[in-house]
Amino acid sequence: QVQLVQSGAEVKKPGASVKVSCKVSGHTLTEVSMHWVRQAPGKGLEWMGGFDPERVYAQKFQGRVTMTEDTSTDTGYMELSSLRSEDTAVYYCATDALDYWGQGTLVTVSS
Amino acid sequence: DIQMTQSPSTLSASVGDRVTITCRASQTISSWLAWLQQKPGKAPKLLVYKASSLQSGVPSRFSGSGSGTEFTLTISSLQPDDFATYYCQQYNSYPWTFGQGTKVEIK
Repeated sequence: QVQLVQSGAEVKKPGASVKVSCKVSGHTLTEVSMHWVRQAPGKGLEWMGGFDPERVYAQKFQGRVTMTEDTSTDTGYMELSSLRSEDTAVYYCATDALDYWGQGTLVTVSS
Repeated sequence: DIQMTQSPSTLSASVGDRVTITCRASQTISSWLAWLQQKPGKAPKLLVYKASSLQSGVPSRFSGSGSGTEFTLTISSLQPDDFATYYCQQYNSYPWTFGQGTKVEIK
């Protein structure tokens, strides 16, 4: 059984960066391909990018998002820079089949 | 980008009702479509993949059908636990895209 456990909520100022982590257990990171999806308050789901097996990013986030993996700790990371208020959302990691999801990390961008 | 359009946006139904949600893709995606269920404050849950394959552990009252550009999710007999928001998602090509969601409410 795969489990994805994400880091805790973050509050950031506009222009700052945030790095969210997602630790895999039950499998190793080399056995799953991790993707990231976000959801603004009251809105739908938005795919940001993932590994297939190379990194692939949504055009909307190109230049602002960096996804990395640390196979020694089976942890994936999503870093989003130049934050603006519209980036306030719950950020989820998920396996590439979308059959396992992290619990979500709320990122609030506010001055 | 492939646009996914769900209908209806909101659906009011009673326990025991048969419910159908439709998802239309702006171009053909073969059968590379998933359906997910989301409850408030929770991560989405995969119900159906490859248009009609039921994810392990999902009740058999859920079923998916379609290919190409037209897809449906059917709940044969709505249960109290099924009141939630449902999303379709295409994974035929990047960027992956989701429908806007269908909220199933209690009538």
